[in-house]
Amino acid sequence: DAKTTQPPSMDCAEGRAANLPCNHSTISGNEYVYWYRQIHSQGPQYIIHGLKNNETNEMASLIITEDRKSSTLILPHATLRDTAVYYCIVRDRGSTLGRLYFGRGTQLTVWP
Amino acid sequence: NAGVTQTPKFQVLKTGQSMTLQCAQDMNHNSMYWYRQDPGMGLRLIYYSASEGTTDKGEVPNGYNVSRLNKREFSLRLESAAPSQTSVYFCASSGQGMNTEAFFGQGTRLTVV
Repeated sequence: DAKTTQPPSMDCAEGRAANLPCNHSTISGNEYVYWYRQIHSQGPQYIIHGLKNNETNEMASLIITEDRKSSTLILPHATLRDTAVYYCIVRDRGSTLGRLYFGRGTQLTVWP
Repeated sequence: NAGVTQTPKFQVLKTGQSMTLQCAQDMNHNSMYWYRQDPGMGLRLIYYSASEGTTDKGEVPNGYNVSRLNKREFSLRLESAAPSQTSVYFCASSGQGMNTEAFFGQGTRLTVV
């Protein structure tokens, strides 16, 4: 199963862009990359997902490298409320059920 | 829109007691999941259900049982609670196919003493 590698922590100044990297070198061709975040032990919240093209929504942008072995989540103007643990996940290729395997994620701290 | 609702939100059990964690979703999703999260760790999959009437083990199923009562409800049962099961439990649901997102409940904080 494809797994991901993320830095354990990052910080960012409020109003600046936060760029969170993720390595997923064993991703297979039909697996999507998903990003979730978890604010203070609440239930994880979906942010964005993509297959191979860059994606953007009202929360963030997702940049996936051409070889699909890594990606970057971009929060364009980070706020204090974006302080959270961010999880990069690839869908389980072992079944069609789409189980989500979480690692430890990246603790993003946005400071004033 | 309620989304995914878990009950109870908090629970304290004595070792050896049993209890059932309830989860319901109102999004007509086929797939439902139970995860646990220990302090400082990511979420680990306990059991999942691809559709009504089917369940399968995840990464850490020992000590748990599940029931997919109907399309809306997926319960997690601890038959004989142990201190190692002290954790935060999250239920989630998702639609069919790879291009869908999962929605999570707000969690049940369980302490076994």
